[in-house]
Amino acid sequence: NAGVTQTPKFRVLKTGQSMTLLCAQDMNHEYMYWYRQDPGMGLRLIHYSVGEGTTAKGEVPDGYNVSRLKKQNFLLGLESAAPSQTSVYFCASSRRTPSNQPQHFGDGTRLSIL
Amino acid sequence: DQQVKQNSPSLSVQEGRISILNCDYTNSMFDYFLWYKKYPAEGPTFLISISSIKDKNEDGRFTVFLNKSAKHLSLHIVPSQPGDSAVYFCAASAVGNQFYFGTGTSLTVIP
Repeated sequence: NAGVTQTPKFRVLKTGQSMTLLCAQDMNHEYMYWYRQDPGMGLRLIHYSVGEGTTAKGEVPDGYNVSRLKKQNFLLGLESAAPSQTSVYFCASSRRTPSNQPQHFGDGTRLSIL
Repeated sequence: DQQVKQNSPSLSVQEGRISILNCDYTNSMFDYFLWYKKYPAEGPTFLISISSIKDKNEDGRFTVFLNKSAKHLSLHIVPSQPGDSAVYFCAASAVGNQFYFGTGTSLTVIP
């Protein structure tokens, strides 16, 4: 019973490098989300998707891009990593209906930018 | 600007006693509230929710209270158990499924 799986779990990058974080869910959820968690800041929404082929900006979208080519996958890309993007990244998914469904989270990706 | 605030970063409670975790919000359009529990190196897991049409929701040892006029909600855990030691996040939503999270409260239940 996998739920939401994030790949990789840890990564260290140099400033300016690019990378993609992968999120996969097996619950047939319509909605998917990317958050970042920083000390003293809680979880902040980066981007989200309400269905295959759709994406939308959250609270802190700058420096990130996303794609949802398949319903079960939601990719988060960093084109040119910056030290300010050092964080723990969480992916989540939820059903579309009924509204306000609780989100199911993955275990996070710890990303360090040197 | 933080729309959902948890002003207590940490809380310690004796096993068997009541734990009360607080959350305040600023956006009067929020109409749905959730609490999540998070263990180290794991993602948050859903605990309990409440809609703005209610002022209380109970699930076993967990009860959430909502005071709309004060824009305040609280999570009560009775009795507290050592396994409840975790970080607790409150979250709020207005329309759609976009949630705003608080900064979390780390609960330690002392055996």
